[in-house]
Amino acid sequence: EDKVVQSPLSLVVHEGDTVTLNCSYEVTNFRSLLWYKQEKKAPTFLFMLTSSGIEKKSGRLSSILDKKELSSILNITATQTGDSAIYLCAVNRGSTLGRLYFGRGTQLTVWP
Amino acid sequence: DVKVTQSSRYLVKRTGEKVFLECVQDMDHENMFWYRQDPGLGLRLIYFSYDVKMKEKGDIPEGYSVSREKKERFSLILESASTNQTSMYLCASSDFSGLEVRIAFFGQGTRLTVV
Repeated sequence: EDKVVQSPLSLVVHEGDTVTLNCSYEVTNFRSLLWYKQEKKAPTFLFMLTSSGIEKKSGRLSSILDKKELSSILNITATQTGDSAIYLCAVNRGSTLGRLYFGRGTQLTVWP
Repeated sequence: DVKVTQSSRYLVKRTGEKVFLECVQDMDHENMFWYRQDPGLGLRLIYFSYDVKMKEKGDIPEGYSVSREKKERFSLILESASTNQTSMYLCASSDFSGLEVRIAFFGQGTRLTVV
């Protein structure tokens, strides 16, 4: 059975801290891994990582795919209260008509 | 910008009612999805569709059906709502070309309460 596991499930930090969120996967025919941020509404897309693009960065957020370890990390540096959200990891397999397999998410809370 | 629009943000229905959740996307995407999201369980796929009139069961299809009569619209139907279907429902769409995946874009969600 395919699995996507995120850790930790929740995390509380203070503004200015750096956090690392983890996502590991066991899926057949891996195609890509996606990170989403969800505040009180719809998940919004952050990054997509594939075999040809294993590292992405945008401002204070960065993500790396480790295909050997079947995992990915999402780093957030100098956290702000606006980073408080659920961070979702999802994996796409080939030949599954584009469906995504989601982890349970990491709830990040940043205190001022 | 891609837009995925769900017909309601909040909905309260009675047990046994037939409930329709509507989703419309404006990017001509082939694929559309319905997920439900519950605390501690993440997003679970209910149904998805890869073309008009085509549908596939996801992981938790029991108690639900779907309809896709037009490419831009994907409806989720609760045939007889029950309290255990109280949840956040998220619609998503993505295009899909061969084995390449595209990014899924989500609607704003419908928080359904069944009383």
